[in-house]
Amino acid sequence: AQKVTQAQTEISVVEKEDVTLDCVYETRDTTYYLFWYKQPPSGELVFLIRRNSFDEQNEISGRYSWNFQKSTSSFNFTITASQVVDSAVYFCAYFAGGTSYGKLTFGQGTILTVHP
Amino acid sequence: DAMVIQNPRYQVTQFGKPVTLSCSQTLNHNVMYWYQQKSSQAPKLLFHYYDKDFNNEADTPDNFQSRRPNTSFCFLDIRSPGLGDAAMYLCATKGTNPNNEQFFGPGTRLTVL
Repeated sequence: AQKVTQAQTEISVVEKEDVTLDCVYETRDTTYYLFWYKQPPSGELVFLIRRNSFDEQNEISGRYSWNFQKSTSSFNFTITASQVVDSAVYFCAYFAGGTSYGKLTFGQGTILTVHP
Repeated sequence: DAMVIQNPRYQVTQFGKPVTLSCSQTLNHNVMYWYQQKSSQAPKLLFHYYDKDFNNEADTPDNFQSRRPNTSFCFLDIRSPGLGDAAMYLCATKGTNPNNEQFFGPGTRLTVL
């Protein structure tokens, strides 16, 4: 069975610091998809990024960047120059390929608090 | 602009009193999901529909039922809510491309008195 581990339960930083959220997964699938979602205090899960298992290219989107390494089964998320609005719970999630539906396996989540 | 809508956003019910949560979508997605998220935990899938095909997770209690009368709407029925069912309930939808992400609604926070 697949498993997603976010070892950091809580992270606290001061505004403008860079912060990296770790995500490690376990799977025997050859085709799969990895996601990051943000959950602000309002509760809605907001999609941030998707990566499929054949695409190890890193991605940058504004202050956000993602590092996917199959060799270490990791999909880490970095926020550069953090802001108070980045405070939220962040979930890494796994989706098995080969089916068009099926469930997301979530990590435990990392609570990020950015202080002014 | 809202794509996945959940009503109500907050629901209070009494112990044992049936309650229904609703979800609607404007995305015309084939797949709709219901997740339960308890405080400080990750969302946990209860069940999902692929069109009208219902797929129940093995560990979802019988107390939880779902209906999908058409593509746009999906309901979560809790027949006899217990105190342990207090949680955020999240609805999500997904297109049939495996590459698609799931789109989540804002959730309904259920309180059981």
